[in-house]
Amino acid sequence: KQEVTQIPAALSVPEGENLVLNCSFTDSAIYNLQWFRQDPGKGLTSLLLIQSSQREQTSGRLNASLDKSSGRSTLYIAASQPGDSATYLCAVSGDNNDMRFGAGTRLTVKP
Amino acid sequence: DAGITQSPRHKVTETGTPVTLRCHQTENHRYMYWYRQDPGHGLRLIHYSYGVKDTDKGEVSDGYSVSRSKTEDFLLTLESATSSQTSVYFCAISELRETQYFGPGTRLLVL
Repeated sequence: KQEVTQIPAALSVPEGENLVLNCSFTDSAIYNLQWFRQDPGKGLTSLLLIQSSQREQTSGRLNASLDKSSGRSTLYIAASQPGDSATYLCAVSGDNNDMRFGAGTRLTVKP
Repeated sequence: DAGITQSPRHKVTETGTPVTLRCHQTENHRYMYWYRQDPGHGLRLIHYSYGVKDTDKGEVSDGYSVSRSKTEDFLLTLESATSSQTSVYFCAISELRETQYFGPGTRLLVL
């Protein structure tokens, strides 16, 4: 059974700092990995999707990398802003598009 | 935002009553999913559909059934609601192995 772990569970940083969120998974037989953002009481917003054949994806200040063989992904956020405060979730898709989620990292960016 | 709506957005019901949640999409995506999100468990897949009348079980399918008679609608039914089914329910849509887009969620309280 695929297990997805996110470290740290919570992170607090001052505005402007660059930061890295980590995601690991136990079964490397994945089709893709997706990073989401969730604001309190809201749904999930897709940030980046990395297919299994790709090593990284970038969108604005966000960069996600994937090392499938070692079962790891990182989400890099450059020049963090208070508006980046949210919970960040990673999820991996295996057979039949079955997606397994990590528990998330709660990020607080202080002004 | 992807065109996904969920109804109702909030519901309070009593143990033993049937409950049906609706997910409606305007994107014509083939895949539709139902997840539940609980503190300490994260997001878990209940059921998913890969086409009209084509559905399959997810990680936590016991006590739930689904139906998809039209591309745009995916219904989740709790045949006899229990307190353990108190949760936030999310619908998502995607094409095969592509980005999943989530709806706004339904908060269900079973008393």
